[in-house]
Amino acid sequence: EAGVTQSPTHLIKTRGQQATLRCSPISGHTSVYWYQQALGLGLQFLLWYDEGEERNRGNFPPRFSGRQFPNYSSELNVNALELEDSALYLCASSLDLSEKLFFGSGTQLSVL
Amino acid sequence: QKEVEQNSGPLSVPEGAIASLNCTYSDRGSQSFFWYRQYSGKSPELIMFIYSNGDKEDGRFTAQLNKASQYVSLLIRDSQPSDSATYLCAVLMEYGNKLVFGAGTILRVKS
Repeated sequence: EAGVTQSPTHLIKTRGQQATLRCSPISGHTSVYWYQQALGLGLQFLLWYDEGEERNRGNFPPRFSGRQFPNYSSELNVNALELEDSALYLCASSLDLSEKLFFGSGTQLSVL
Repeated sequence: QKEVEQNSGPLSVPEGAIASLNCTYSDRGSQSFFWYRQYSGKSPELIMFIYSNGDKEDGRFTAQLNKASQYVSLLIRDSQPSDSATYLCAVLMEYGNKLVFGAGTILRVKS
């Protein structure tokens, strides 16, 4: 069974550009979560999607947005990139939040 | 006050010793608690979860929960060098709409 897959593995952008990160959950999982892990910091909750709807978002500005598609895959979009957006972006899926989260390998975003 | 707090470490223990990792949380209504392990350059993986007060054992790992003190811990018995990693405490907030992670504790097991 395939795990959570994320693409691309690495992404290099310049300030002001837009970045799109993609995530495919484990088959059967309807919930997708996005976390940001900056160097030396813990995982910061970004967004939670379930059944195509945004269920909750963390304390991030509106330029962080996303969506979940009918097949439960998800996109994270970051507009007007800033240097401090450089981080590892992790996607996770589960049946629901009370269950174990399965993490993808992440997308390393570098903003120059 | 941070929602989930952990000592960043590093915590260094000799091989074969017991490693004790601690975590406190602010939301008194939290019901579910998780410990994830993250090796350098890898994504987190769940090693323990606990819902009820008391202890839960799984092999060399024991999770302890004290809701009155808002405290959860992870004990690793017979620590091995392969246990060297960052251990992340995660707490499901009361209304079940956010899983908050602590910043993690770096554990180093020296042979």
